[in-house]
Amino acid sequence: AQKITQTQPGMFVQEKEAVTLDCTYDTSDPSYGLFWYKQPSSGEMIFLIYQGSYDQQNATEGRYSLNFQKARKSANLVISASQLGDSAMYFCAMREGTGANSKLTFGKGITLSVRP
Amino acid sequence: EAQVTQNPRYLITVTGKKLTVTCSQNMNHEYMSWYRQDPGLGLRQIYYSMNVEATDKGDVPEGYKVSRKEKRNFPLILESPSPNQTSLYFCASRSGYGTDTQYFGPGTRLTVL
Repeated sequence: AQKITQTQPGMFVQEKEAVTLDCTYDTSDPSYGLFWYKQPSSGEMIFLIYQGSYDQQNATEGRYSLNFQKARKSANLVISASQLGDSAMYFCAMREGTGANSKLTFGKGITLSVRP
Repeated sequence: EAQVTQNPRYLITVTGKKLTVTCSQNMNHEYMSWYRQDPGLGLRQIYYSMNVEATDKGDVPEGYKVSRKEKRNFPLILESPSPNQTSLYFCASRSGYGTDTQYFGPGTRLTVL
């Protein structure tokens, strides 16, 4: 089974509106971390937001928030007030366990296009 | 500035010609890794290193070698490149503790003819 699932083939959103990018994960490890990265057309991987499995509150970073539903094993990224510069591919990733031996596994990504 | 650097950024080569992609980080991170990114497949880990002289295979190690002689450097070596190694390659590093965020280099776009 895939550890990280991103099933939306491509998303479109109107500028200034909010958009949710879906991510579900699968792990039996009680300690894990969830990450979102943005990859614009220039190719670099930009870290956006992190959620730890023991965190009580949903993570927020500026216009990014993570809707963490532990029982459903979902970690959706919410982008508020979309901007044209948000057009990119977005990757969800999970780190299982802790320490240097833990491994980061990525989903296949979702393409987001922001319409003016 | 904290960063991961990779060189070269773009490389076109021919089958069988050995090449090395360098990677360096200035954050004193213990953990470094290499990924390749292919359309529809996301990022797949090639090799990783937990510290100096400690490396191990990731999910797709065939055709690649790595070394970790110094903490800051983690070069990726293709002894005999083949066209199926045409890809976008990323080096990454993380501390191994705390939130343990992984930081990526800018990527190397490799084409093997």
